[in-house]
Amino acid sequence: AQTVTQSQPEMSVQEAETVTLSCTYDTSESNYYLFWYKQPPSRQMILVIRQEAYKQQNATENRFSVNFQKAAKSFSLKISDSQLGDTAMYFCAFMGPRSGSRLTFGEGTQLTVNP
Amino acid sequence: ETGVTQSPTHLIKTRGQQVTLRCSSQSGHNTVSWYQQALGQGPQFIFQYYREEENGRGNFPPRFSGLQFPNYSSELNVNALELDDSALYLCASSPDPGQVSYEQYFGPGTRLTVT
Repeated sequence: AQTVTQSQPEMSVQEAETVTLSCTYDTSESNYYLFWYKQPPSRQMILVIRQEAYKQQNATENRFSVNFQKAAKSFSLKISDSQLGDTAMYFCAFMGPRSGSRLTFGEGTQLTVNP
Repeated sequence: ETGVTQSPTHLIKTRGQQVTLRCSSQSGHNTVSWYQQALGQGPQFIFQYYREEENGRGNFPPRFSGLQFPNYSSELNVNALELDDSALYLCASSPDPGQVSYEQYFGPGTRLTVT
């Protein structure tokens, strides 16, 4: 079974600075998908960024980028130029090739951006 | 806005009662997944339905059951409610699992409190 671990329950950053959230996972699959989701207080789960394991290039979406280390099974999220609206719970998630869209989530990291 | 809606937003039930939660998927999405998110934790996969048939189940007892209808709506039913069933219940819709469907669209969730 796949597992996803987020070792930072809480993090804080000053507005406009950069922060990195950590995630490790365990799987025996060679091809899979990794995601970072954001859950603000409104509870709506929002996809931030995704990475396909067979792609070596790290995904980037505007201020959000990932550092995907397949051999180390590490998938960290970097948020540049942090904004107050980035304050939320962030979840790392895994989807296997035969999971039928089933997501395995980590425990989450509460990120607070301070003015 | 993901096009996925859930009802009700909140509800309170008594231990031992039964509850039905509803989800309306994004049009054209034949797959719906349900997740349970306890307070301060990541979502846990309950089960998935594809074209009205159960298509995978997580580690949840049989008193958690579901239905999916042809009109892209679905239900999560929980019998004999226990205090530990108190959680946010999320549904997520996606295209056919046979496709590369790494896109999942989450609803805003239903907050269930069991007293």
